Amino acid sequence: GDSVTQMEGPVTLSEEAFLTINCTYTATGYPSLFWYVQYPGEGLQLLLKATKADDKGSNKGFEATYRKETTSFHLEKGSVQVSDSAVYFCALSGGTSGSRLTFGEGTQLTVNP
Amino acid sequence: NAGVTQTPKFQVLKTGQSMTLQCAQDMNHEYMSWYRQDPGMGLRLIHYSVGAGITDQGEVPNGYNVSRSTTEDFPLRLLSAAPSQTSVYFCASSYSSMGMGNTIYFGEGSWLTVV
Repeated sequence: GDSVTQMEGPVTLSEEAFLTINCTYTATGYPSLFWYVQYPGEGLQLLLKATKADDKGSNKGFEATYRKETTSFHLEKGSVQVSDSAVYFCALSGGTSGSRLTFGEGTQLTVNP
Repeated sequence: NAGVTQTPKFQVLKTGQSMTLQCAQDMNHEYMSWYRQDPGMGLRLIHYSVGAGITDQGEVPNGYNVSRSTTEDFPLRLLSAAPSQTSVYFCASSYSSMGMGNTIYFGEGSWLTVV
């Protein structure tokens, strides 16, 4: 079945540091890939998505590129802020599970001033 | 634009009690689902529905029932609560179960504690 693997957390960075959160996936066919963000005490919000190979999703300074050759969708941001502190989830849909989302474990990011 | 609305936001239950988590969406979405979120395990699918009158099991359906009598509503029922059901529950919806890249919208979550 489909699966998503994220880098283990938690991740702690200083403000303005560069962020990378690794995500790799296993799926048949051509899944769509997503990053969701969950701020403390809130639900999940879609951060960005990519629907085909080599697509780059971007939003709020975050980027991720759909790499089919390495089955990866790593999340990056050039300069993090304290307000980026949250849990980040990589997810896919459209593999064997149709529209059902398969999530990674989540990565807790803490950004210190 | 309400999106996906879940109630209640917080609930404490005693073991053996029953309750229903409500979920409603106003976007005319066909596809609705329930997830639970547990530390270190991401979100796991409990049940889902591809349209009114149609439901199916996800990864962790035991102890939960659902129904989909209308397009808008997708309640999740705990028939006899157990401490293992202590979790955060999220309802989600999307326009269609078919095709790629459908954006899935989440409710704000329901924090459930079973004592």
